[in-house]
Amino acid sequence: DVKVTQSSRYLVKRTGEKVFLECVQDMDHENMFWYRQDPGLGLRLIYFSYDVKMKEKGDIPEGYSVSREKKERFSLILESASTNQTSMYLCASSLGGPVQNIQYFGAGTRLSVL
Amino acid sequence: AQTVTQSQPEMSVQEAETVTLSCTYDTSESDYYLFWYKQPPSRQMILVIRQEAYKQQNATENRFSVNFQKAAKSFSLKISDSQLGDAAMYFCAYRSDQGAQKLVFGQGTRLTINP
Repeated sequence: DVKVTQSSRYLVKRTGEKVFLECVQDMDHENMFWYRQDPGLGLRLIYFSYDVKMKEKGDIPEGYSVSREKKERFSLILESASTNQTSMYLCASSLGGPVQNIQYFGAGTRLSVL
Repeated sequence: AQTVTQSQPEMSVQEAETVTLSCTYDTSESDYYLFWYKQPPSRQMILVIRQEAYKQQNATENRFSVNFQKAAKSFSLKISDSQLGDAAMYFCAYRSDQGAQKLVFGQGTRLTINP
């Protein structure tokens, strides 16, 4: 089974802190994604990566950055956390290529910024 | 840009009954993929069913089936013989056949199963 592991289920941070959310997948997937989930808005894509050291902005990248130094790990960084970044963050991964387009998700990190 | 709309924030159904969740989408593309994902309470999201737009036949996975109406841009999910374990948030998602593999999600429908 594909396993996508997010390092924390719950996280509480203070405004202005630098926050790292970590995601690791064990299936040698090329693609990795970070989404933000908010009630009534569904999931919105923040950033994605289709290869090591490659990244592309999603729909809501402002206030976030990402890092992918190894194929299995994709980190989401909040440079200076703000209260409007309180949310559920979901990581996903998928194989590259047009056919294998199923995304597998982690359990999510619920971040509260106080 | 593509958009996905789920107009039912909440639905409920009696155990063993059938329920249909609605999803509409907007796109100018002819080739794409559609998905239904399930997110149980405090658990990770999993794929329920997917449909390739070029296939006319509706996808089916056990008790889950879709009604894909390409011209109407509609993609509803039917759950037959509802079970308590079906209680979850359900998300409809769209993926283009071109470019990056990013998913565009709807707002979600929370499904409650009444025993």
